[in-house]
Amino acid sequence: GQNIDQPTEMTATEGAIVQINCTYQTSGFNGLFWYQQHAGEAPTFLSYNVLDGLEEKGRFSSFLSRSKGYSYLLLKELQMKDSASYLCAVRDSNYQLIWGAGTKLIIKP
Amino acid sequence: ETGVTQTPRHLVMGMTNKKSLKCEQHLGHNAMYWYKQSAKKPLELMFVYNFKEQTENNSVPSRFSPECPNSSHLFLHLHTLQPEDSALYLCASSQEAGGGTDTQYFGPGTRLTVL
Repeated sequence: GQNIDQPTEMTATEGAIVQINCTYQTSGFNGLFWYQQHAGEAPTFLSYNVLDGLEEKGRFSSFLSRSKGYSYLLLKELQMKDSASYLCAVRDSNYQLIWGAGTKLIIKP
Repeated sequence: ETGVTQTPRHLVMGMTNKKSLKCEQHLGHNAMYWYKQSAKKPLELMFVYNFKEQTENNSVPSRFSPECPNSSHLFLHLHTLQPEDSALYLCASSQEAGGGTDTQYFGPGTRLTVL
């Protein structure tokens, strides 16, 4: 079956750096997405990776290794507003999105 | 952010009620989606419409009935639901289902409670 694994919850300190990992086993690969979802709100698009390597967008970066079935989201200079759930999703060979259960990130002062 | 709107935001209904969820997108997209989000579980894709045609129905019980009158509007009609149907129902839209780097944009969801 198809599977996306990410940690259930992580805690980090304001101003620090945190890395949220995502491993996947899917039938084919056509890109990996990261979304941010604040409690009670819509998931919002953060990043898309389809080739190996690092994509940087301000304080957020996303890395992909297709051979390892692995991605991470790196958040730098953490702010309290970064407290949210982070969802990893992979598009399979049928162009369907397979979702992880999300990682709840708690930022402490 | 008003790209994708959903109403109502909260809904409480009994098992014998009939209600409808509404979604509207203002992004000029051609694909719309219904997802179910339960606590600590992955998003579950329910239905996909591409250019107003239903292209996916992921074994969803018939008590959920989608309707897509045009590319901007999507409804989810609910009847004789069960308590386990209580969840956050998210609507999303994208340029075209399955296309290239197609990215989905989500509405804020309807929090549904079935008593």
